Amino acid sequence: NAGVTQTPKFRVLKTGQSMTLLCAQDMNHEYMYWYRQDPGMGLRLIHYSVGEGTTAKGEVPDGYNVSRLKKQNFLLGLESAAPSQTSVYFCASWDGASYEQYFGPGTRLTVT
Amino acid sequence: AQSVAQPEDQVNVAEGNPLTVKCTYSVSGNPYLFWYVQYPNRGLQFLLKYITGDNLVKGSYGFEAEFNKSQTSFHLKKPSALVSDSALYFCAVRALGRSTDSWGKLQFGAGTQVVVTP
Repeated sequence: NAGVTQTPKFRVLKTGQSMTLLCAQDMNHEYMYWYRQDPGMGLRLIHYSVGEGTTAKGEVPDGYNVSRLKKQNFLLGLESAAPSQTSVYFCASWDGASYEQYFGPGTRLTVT
Repeated sequence: AQSVAQPEDQVNVAEGNPLTVKCTYSVSGNPYLFWYVQYPNRGLQFLLKYITGDNLVKGSYGFEAEFNKSQTSFHLKKPSALVSDSALYFCAVRALGRSTDSWGKLQFGAGTQVVVTP
């Protein structure tokens, strides 16, 4: 049982490049989330999904897109990276029985 | 709208002394409250939660938190801090809404860095 995994762990992009972050969970959770973490700002919700094939915007969705084609996977895309998207990105899934969110180890993204 | 405040950016404590990390919240209705811990270069780990029932909640690694409805607080405590407790601590409240979309959403505080010195 790996929990929540994220790929890649680190990435450096140039402004204007695109990339996709992959999140996978093996706990059969319906709900999944993408956050970004910036110093002094806690975690801010980018997008989330309440089930396969569904996605919704969070607090800071601009510049990001997501897809949930399979229940276990939640992809976060940056179409044209900007320096303001330099951050640490966390994926999480939610256990409706315990109300707890389970987090992945994070992806550190730098946009130059 | 709900919100969570962690008034201290950093808490310094000597090993063996009591540790308190403060959290206050603002929500409509009954709050679901959580504490998470983040060690360097790691994801967040669940520590404890308050959903209903006893106001004193016990969690992992010897931590506990007290729910105080009148003061709208949910402070995290540990009687005797360890150097290994040095980490970033987040308080969170479950976002409320009529739609099932909101069921799992959490609003996080800005985080409090805990530094425990030997």
